[in-house]
Amino acid sequence: GDSVTQMEGPVTLSEEAFLTINCTYTATGYPSLFWYVQYPGEGLQLLLKATKADDKGSNKGFEATYRKETTSFHLEKGSVQVSDSAVYFCALLRMDSSYKLIFGSGTRLLVRP
Amino acid sequence: NAGVMQNPRHLVRRRGQEARLRCSPMKGHSHVYWYRQLPEEGLKFMVYLQKENIIDESGMPKERFSAEFPKEGPSILRIQQVVRGDSAAYFCASSPPQGTAPTGELFFGEGSRLTVL
Repeated sequence: GDSVTQMEGPVTLSEEAFLTINCTYTATGYPSLFWYVQYPGEGLQLLLKATKADDKGSNKGFEATYRKETTSFHLEKGSVQVSDSAVYFCALLRMDSSYKLIFGSGTRLLVRP
Repeated sequence: NAGVMQNPRHLVRRRGQEARLRCSPMKGHSHVYWYRQLPEEGLKFMVYLQKENIIDESGMPKERFSAEFPKEGPSILRIQQVVRGDSAAYFCASSPPQGTAPTGELFFGEGSRLTVL
């Protein structure tokens, strides 16, 4: 079945470092891909999305490109801040009648001053 | 605009008791999803509901778990005869009417954290 695999965390970086969080997927058809972020004690928020191959989603300095050939959607940011510390979830949207998101296991990011 | 409201935020139950979790979707949203998050794990889909209808309950355990989204009032996730393995965070999310294609953007509540003693 459809699935999402993320790199295991935690990822610990110093402020202003470059961030990459890897995400690969397995899906039939052509799913839409998403990154959600969960700050401590809160629910998930949509960070960015891409709906077709070669699309680049971007928001708040984060970017991810939908790579069909490698079935990947890696999250990147050029210069992280302490406030980016959170758990990041990669997800895909099944295009069948249920319209349900399938999430990866999440990657915890800790940014130190 | 109020977001997705879940209550209670924290719930403690003893084994064998019942747990009821409530979710009020965002105004104008008619689709509700329930997800479960076990410690250090991702979110697992449980059920997808529209008003008065269960659309997809493929992620819901066959026994002890039920969900509803009545015409009036919040969506309810009910867990009967809770066991320790039910301890988790339960997140509700809502989305507006899908139209011709889903957008995938779900609006999440802050979650209800169930602890079973």
